[in-house]
Amino acid sequence: TQLLEQSPQFLSIQEGENLTVYCNSSSVFSSLQWYRQEPGEGPVLLVTVVTGGEVKKLKRLTFQFGDARKDSSLHITAAQPGDTGLYLCAGAGDSNYQLIWGAGTKLIIKP
Amino acid sequence: DTGVSQDPRHKITKRGQNVTFRCDPISEHNRLYWYRQTLGQGPEFLTYFQNEAQLEKSRLLSDRFSAERPKGSFSTLEIQRTEQGDSAMYLCASSSGRQDSEQFFGPGTRLTVL
Repeated sequence: TQLLEQSPQFLSIQEGENLTVYCNSSSVFSSLQWYRQEPGEGPVLLVTVVTGGEVKKLKRLTFQFGDARKDSSLHITAAQPGDTGLYLCAGAGDSNYQLIWGAGTKLIIKP
Repeated sequence: DTGVSQDPRHKITKRGQNVTFRCDPISEHNRLYWYRQTLGQGPEFLTYFQNEAQLEKSRLLSDRFSAERPKGSFSTLEIQRTEQGDSAMYLCASSSGRQDSEQFFGPGTRLTVL
């Protein structure tokens, strides 16, 4: 059974600080996606990483896929209150249609 | 067509009643997924369609749950004889079906069973 462990589960920091969220597994994924979800809404896709070692940047967000394609990280620089939300990682594994989901990291950025 | 839509956005029902939710996927997407999500957790897979065929159904899905996608476009999820434990956000997503296909989610239907 493929599992994705996300950490931390909860993070509350001040505006302007940096943070990193981790997504780890013992399984290899063909790709990994990061989503952000706000209360009462569906998840919104932020990025997909496919190649081991790949780094993608989305403004102040930096996403990295591990060399072995078993883990990923999301780094936010100079966090802003608008970054508040639930961050979810999801991996495409053995099945070519079903994603394996992490439990999410609830992020609160205080002004 | 700007994205996945779901209707209704909110549903409050009494225990024992039946409810039906609708999902309209992105028009060119042939794959459609239903998920359930409880507060603070990631989405839990319920079922998956490729065109009109329901190809996978979670073992967690009881017989009270049924989903259809009759013409390979919109889908419905019905819950019969609702229970308080069915209270959750029900999410629909669609994808184009490529190997590493990204899933695009609707806004969800929040179900509250009293």
